[in-house]
Amino acid sequence: EPEVTQTPSHQVTQMGQEVILRCVPISNHLYFYWYRQILGQKVEFLVSFYNNEISEKSEIFDDQFSVERPDGSNFTLKIRSTKLEDSAMYFCAIRGGVPGNTIYFGEGSWLTVV
Amino acid sequence: QKEVEQNSGPLSVPEGAIASLNCTYSDRGSQSFFWYRQYSGKSPELIMFIYSNGDKEDGRFTAQLNKASQYVSLLIRDSQPSDSATYLCAVERGGGNKLTFGTGTQLKVEL
Repeated sequence: EPEVTQTPSHQVTQMGQEVILRCVPISNHLYFYWYRQILGQKVEFLVSFYNNEISEKSEIFDDQFSVERPDGSNFTLKIRSTKLEDSAMYFCAIRGGVPGNTIYFGEGSWLTVV
Repeated sequence: QKEVEQNSGPLSVPEGAIASLNCTYSDRGSQSFFWYRQYSGKSPELIMFIYSNGDKEDGRFTAQLNKASQYVSLLIRDSQPSDSATYLCAVERGGGNKLTFGTGTQLKVEL
């Protein structure tokens, strides 16, 4: 199973501050995703990133969100001006090759906005 | 209509019994179907995936797909207390596309 490392594991930030969540896949992948899960709710798709550009984004992924892969290995999610409702677990995911070309999730970054 | 529907549970089964988890989906263009297990506070862990109608078995787990009825299920045989978790059903339209998740079914396996 492909491995994905996410940092930080937990971050507390003040409302209005910028947050950067990082994801480091262990091996090379083409497809990257960010999902989030608000406490007690379902896992929601935010954005997919293929061949170094956004391939799809959800309604949640508005102008305050951005993603990039600055150095070919790290994959980051930036939230420019955090709101209370951004408090959630954020999962980075990658699409693995074998078996089944399925999506594997990192351990998650728990973001608390106060 | 929700895109992916699951009974939230909790579904309680005694240890050693068969647990049956169900999921329906609305998008007829869905091609791939996944079951993830999620322990509280942890990330989703892939259990099974299925693409074709019928049954697919992997150890104690069997996934069943009926595209005509837009129905996916997961059977867990010889349920163990360690199987107690929330089981997430997810569907995908095609390769490279996003997963759409249901809200999950909480399973409790009792001693």
